[in-house]
Amino acid sequence: DIQMTQSPSSLSASVGDRVTITCRASQNITSHLNWYQQKAGKPPKLLMYSASSLQSGVPSRFSGSGSGTDFTLTISSLQPEDFATYLCQQSYTFPTFGQGTTLDIK
Amino acid sequence: QVQLVQSGAEVKKPGSSVMVSCRASGGTFSSYATNWLRQAPGQGLEWMGGVIPMFGTPNYAPKFQGRVTITADESTSTSYMELRSLTVGDTAVYYCARDWLPREMATNGFDPWGQGSLVTVSS
Repeated sequence: DIQMTQSPSSLSASVGDRVTITCRASQNITSHLNWYQQKAGKPPKLLMYSASSLQSGVPSRFSGSGSGTDFTLTISSLQPEDFATYLCQQSYTFPTFGQGTTLDIK
Repeated sequence: QVQLVQSGAEVKKPGSSVMVSCRASGGTFSSYATNWLRQAPGQGLEWMGGVIPMFGTPNYAPKFQGRVTITADESTSTSYMELRSLTVGDTAVYYCARDWLPREMATNGFDPWGQGSLVTVSS
């Protein structure tokens, strides 16, 4: 299995801040990396696919980058609705997910 | 916009089986993969497997191979996931989720998702 490791596991920030979340794969996954947002009691919502492509309907303050083993998700200016857990997922082989990064209000 | 609606919560005994359903409405069913995933309390998401109805043959994650069966009924736009030989470790919220690109499975992310079905395994 390909292991996905996210950092940090939790992060406190304020509205308007720029935040970056990192995801590392245990082997080269080229650009087969997707990002999700999950709020308590809800299913995940797809934000980014193929590392850097914004899913339809997702605000442009979200962006993704990386290839190979190291990837980042950036939120350029945090909005109140962005406080949630963020998950990365590789789709190079059968899918595996990171453990999540919980973003809460400072 | 396609919506996925799952069956309700279940409580099962260890050693038994559970079947969860996922009905798609508002879009094309046959050419899009329906995937099944689970999220145990405080744990990460696990992909269990999926099926593209028009092709019929499911793919399973190695961990669940032999214990899970995923099927799709094109006449009712419904996918089913059966998990057998349940243990307390199978207690989780089970989700169905669709690949948003047709004729591909687990390649470019899952969108949309069902609302989740809580399966509790307890003696």
